[in-house]
Amino acid sequence: GIQVEQSPPDLILQEGANSTLRCNFSDSVNNLQWFHQNPWGQLINLFYIPSGTKQNGRLSATTVATERYSLLYISSSQTTDSGVYFCAVNSENAGGTSYGKLTFGQGTILTVHP
Amino acid sequence: GAGVSQSPSNKVTEKGKDVELRCDPISGHTALYWYRQRLGQGLEFLIYFQGNSAPDKSGLPSDRFSAERTGESVSTLTIQRTQQEDSAVYLCASSFRGNYEQYFGPGTRLTVT
Repeated sequence: GIQVEQSPPDLILQEGANSTLRCNFSDSVNNLQWFHQNPWGQLINLFYIPSGTKQNGRLSATTVATERYSLLYISSSQTTDSGVYFCAVNSENAGGTSYGKLTFGQGTILTVHP
Repeated sequence: GAGVSQSPSNKVTEKGKDVELRCDPISGHTALYWYRQRLGQGLEFLIYFQGNSAPDKSGLPSDRFSAERTGESVSTLTIQRTQQEDSAVYLCASSFRGNYEQYFGPGTRLTVT
């Protein structure tokens, strides 16, 4: 099946700093989502971005599908940005009844200090 | 409803007992998914329902795990004869159709003692 690798595994920032999180995947995808898992375990949707670039406030994301990677940018980080960031994909070649299921990376643990 | 809901939020059970977890998807969403998240890990896919099609059960770890969905509404995940390795957070997600954006519920934290 498709493999998803996220880097870095851990990231520690001072409030106000910028950061870039990376997601590499091993096959063509027709769905890619970025999530933030807050300290209470809730998965919050950040972006649905199988290709292209999107921005939402201090966050933006770019997926280069032909090169099989996606980047999540966090600018002017705040303590509330702390948590785990997951990238999840659905393989274009999954086919059949597997269409739709997401394969998750191991996540990037972000800690923002005041 | 406004979002995906799950119940119970926490469940503690003794090894060998059966448990049922419930998921209510977003109204109008035809696709429903169950995932499991072990402590400190990413999410692993368990099962996927899409409309009236046969479900994709390829992620169920053993025959002790089963799930049902009534039409395009609620789903229940049943774990029989629970084992300690079943301890995890079980998350449900729904989407408008297969391969559209998925939205997750708050999860059920299962502890098997």
